[in-house]
Amino acid sequence: DQQVKQNSPSLSVQEGRISILNCDYTNSMFDYFLWYKKYPAEGPTFLISISSIKDKNEDGRFTVFLNKSAKHLSLHIVPSQPGDSAVYFCAGTGGSNYKLTFGKGTLLTVNP
Amino acid sequence: GAVVSQHPSWVICKSGTSVKIECRSLDFQATTMFWYRQFPKQSLMLMATSNEGSKATYEQGVEKDKFLINHASLTLSTLTVTSAHPEDSSFYICSASAGVSPEAFFGQGTRLTVV
Repeated sequence: DQQVKQNSPSLSVQEGRISILNCDYTNSMFDYFLWYKKYPAEGPTFLISISSIKDKNEDGRFTVFLNKSAKHLSLHIVPSQPGDSAVYFCAGTGGSNYKLTFGKGTLLTVNP
Repeated sequence: GAVVSQHPSWVICKSGTSVKIECRSLDFQATTMFWYRQFPKQSLMLMATSNEGSKATYEQGVEKDKFLINHASLTLSTLTVTSAHPEDSSFYICSASAGVSPEAFFGQGTRLTVV
């Protein structure tokens, strides 16, 4: 049972436009969500997170939106840059041990 | 962000031998470290959670006698793949958490190839 789903394996956008990466979850116990960026053969890099008590968190070009009733979150990147091209993983966690459950990732390609 | 160093970044070993991978938190004390495995084009699959000074908690389906985890200090955890087989070839990644927030920081990963 996949508790975190990223249904789009890939996304391609033009430089300067907005990238929207989507994530759905099924585990109601998740109370914190994170986005990570990963380049090939490297470990993931933490990007931004959001607590379930919020519906939006913004950090520079990155904004994460959370819709708890729909069990859906999204990452917006604007403006998109070629250096943003990477695989983006969504993760959820709940409870004190902070175990992260990851989605399968979305490959973002930003074209110059 | 915090720095987590994983070593080696890649290793090739013969079937039947053991391989040790180290994960160090360089600028913070990691009360909890996590070990993941990633297959090509797949998600990161959690293998085990280790807390400093206690036995690791393994996820269902992960052989604890094959994947030995030691978290002897607040800055170091090791994963030893024992009696490696070609099917153990994968990308192994560790992450470390200070335990005060859910954000975990990842090492660079280790590409293990068993021949």
